[in-house]
Amino acid sequence: AQKITQTQPGMFVQEKEAVTLDCTYDTSDPSYGLFWYKQPSSGEMIFLIYQGSYDQQNATEGRYSLNFQKARKSANLVISASQLGDSAMYFCAMRGTSSGSARQLTFGSGTQLTVLP
Amino acid sequence: NAGVMQNPRHLVRRRGQEARLRCSPMKGHSHVYWYRQLPEEGLKFMVYLQKENIIDESGMPKERFSAEFPKEGPSILRIQQVVRGDSAAYFCASSPPSGGRSTDTQYFGPGTRLTVL
Repeated sequence: AQKITQTQPGMFVQEKEAVTLDCTYDTSDPSYGLFWYKQPSSGEMIFLIYQGSYDQQNATEGRYSLNFQKARKSANLVISASQLGDSAMYFCAMRGTSSGSARQLTFGSGTQLTVLP
Repeated sequence: NAGVMQNPRHLVRRRGQEARLRCSPMKGHSHVYWYRQLPEEGLKFMVYLQKENIIDESGMPKERFSAEFPKEGPSILRIQQVVRGDSAAYFCASSPPSGGRSTDTQYFGPGTRLTVL
């Protein structure tokens, strides 16, 4: 079974500052993928960034980077130069590589980020 | 390149009625997933389908819920005899055909908000 833990229900950050959203995971799959999604107040789910368990480098996508520490089973999202539009709920998710049921994504409970002007 | 389409965006039903939620995957995607999000919670997996096949329905309630993905047309999530506890946002996601690699990102539709009166 897979489990994702996001321990920060809410976070505040000043505009233009960087912020780190925490995510820890647990899995028995030898190979897995970690994802971050953003859910603004309008409700849609927006894919942000992906990290593979065997990737040698931490993933980056524009202002988003993933601080992947495999030994600690953490996959924290770093948002640099926060913007007001970054205010949203952020979900960490995982999937394994086995067939069948492991294709599903397992989500954490989310972190509500508020960017202050 | 259209994304994942879901309709309706909002659906209101009275207790005992049926709810039909539709999902058209992204072009070229043959894998469809349904997730449910209860208020203030993360997304929970319901079912994973490929064309004309249910691959994994381990997250589906045993009664009243069914899903299909016919050879032609959208995927349908059907809830019979709805109850107030079915009120939630229902998200559909799609991913491309693959060998089960963890890199297969799931792209989400805008969701259907079901309200049961």
